[in-house]
Amino acid sequence: AQSVTQPDIHITVSEGASLELRCNYSYGATPYLFWYVQSPGQGLQLLLKYFSGDTLVQGIKGFEAEFKRSQSSFNLRKPSVHWSDAAEYFCAVGSWAAGNKLTFGGGTRVLVKP
Amino acid sequence: ETGVTQSPTHLIKTRGQQVTLRCSSQSGHNTVSWYQQALGQGPQFIFQYYREEENGRGNFPPRFSGLQFPNYSSELNVNALELDDSALYLCASSTRTEGTGELFFGEGSRLTVL
Repeated sequence: AQSVTQPDIHITVSEGASLELRCNYSYGATPYLFWYVQSPGQGLQLLLKYFSGDTLVQGIKGFEAEFKRSQSSFNLRKPSVHWSDAAEYFCAVGSWAAGNKLTFGGGTRVLVKP
Repeated sequence: ETGVTQSPTHLIKTRGQQVTLRCSSQSGHNTVSWYQQALGQGPQFIFQYYREEENGRGNFPPRFSGLQFPNYSSELNVNALELDDSALYLCASSTRTEGTGELFFGEGSRLTVL
């Protein structure tokens, strides 16, 4: 069965510092991988996605993620965090073969210190 | 393009009641998925509709049911509400084209069961 693990429930980072959020997945088929962001009381906004090809993926708001098949990981990074990046971040895995049904991790809440 | 819209945004029900949540999919999308997000958790897949047929279901009891209409909008119905049904219910639309598997989420309907 597929699963997604986000080991860090909370991360606190200073504004201007770098950020890395970890994601590990277990999936039988060739996965599609996603990172979504959710601000309080809001729905989910797609940050970036990996389907195939280049394993370093660029997204919106200055985020990037790297797919490492050997480690079953898809970690999200941002070189310099802004206060507006405070939110909850979800990693998700799915596949076209599975009809694009996504399995989400439990999320990582990011707090940004001034 | 028109995004995914959900209604109502908030509602309060009592145990044993029934609720209907509505979703209008993004223009050009023929697939609608519903997710339940309990407080502090990641979204969990309820079911998906494609061309008005249920196309996959997560680990939810039969009292969770749905419909998709010819215009691809959708309803989620929950009968015999329980306290644990309190959650944010997210609707997401997508297409069934390989390589374009991202879901576009609405802002959700927050259900409170008392």
